[in-house]
Amino acid sequence: IQMTQSPSSLSASLGDKVTITCRASQRIGSYLNWYQQRPGKAPKLLIYIASALQSGVPSRFSGSGSGTDFTLTINSLQPEDFATYYCQQTHSNPQTFGQGTKLEI
Amino acid sequence: QVQLVESGGGVVQPGKSLRLSCAASGFTFGSSAMHWVRQAPGKGLEWVALISYDGGNEDYADSVKGRFTVSRDNSKNTLYLQMNSLRLEDTAVYYCARASDATGFYGWFDYWGQGTQVTVSS
Repeated sequence: IQMTQSPSSLSASLGDKVTITCRASQRIGSYLNWYQQRPGKAPKLLIYIASALQSGVPSRFSGSGSGTDFTLTINSLQPEDFATYYCQQTHSNPQTFGQGTKLEI
Repeated sequence: QVQLVESGGGVVQPGKSLRLSCAASGFTFGSSAMHWVRQAPGKGLEWVALISYDGGNEDYADSVKGRFTVSRDNSKNTLYLQMNSLRLEDTAVYYCARASDATGFYGWFDYWGQGTQVTVSS
């Protein structure tokens, strides 16, 4: 299953609302997760099963979608949100990731 | 608290072997499936392998199938990745990650190690 994120990069300002899209090449139900990766760090789980917020993750992060089209929304961008974001499908092996979206100031 | 600590990375020549380890603590290791994920320099994340909670089920990315073997020792709370016939394109940071369930399917990766660098170079 191919996962395609858009855009590949995104420029935004503090306080902005941004949306990242992830499209699967075939239907994956809600088996879609989102991760954040800061430079030099391991990925961090943000959203699982398309819309469930991982414990400890700020509520400005939200996810939606099912089937083939999914979105990650970040409200009111904070300095620590500037990072790369990946979607991942776990519907079937190989459990593929999107190519990433780099969010820059 | 959950901790995953990878080790065993290094510089190795093409065609050689390397074994990575991932030491787990802070949770019941024997109840969770585990994954390996890698990231080549400047690139995105690539899922490499999974192993179920009891080692009874494994699966691999096509790019490593037949060359890499994932295993675990639940008595030692340790996950392994045996990498044979290494290629230049295997150069990456390798992460271990905990699955949200026992099988490794339909779940998510809720904890990650800090990664270990593997460099394949002649």
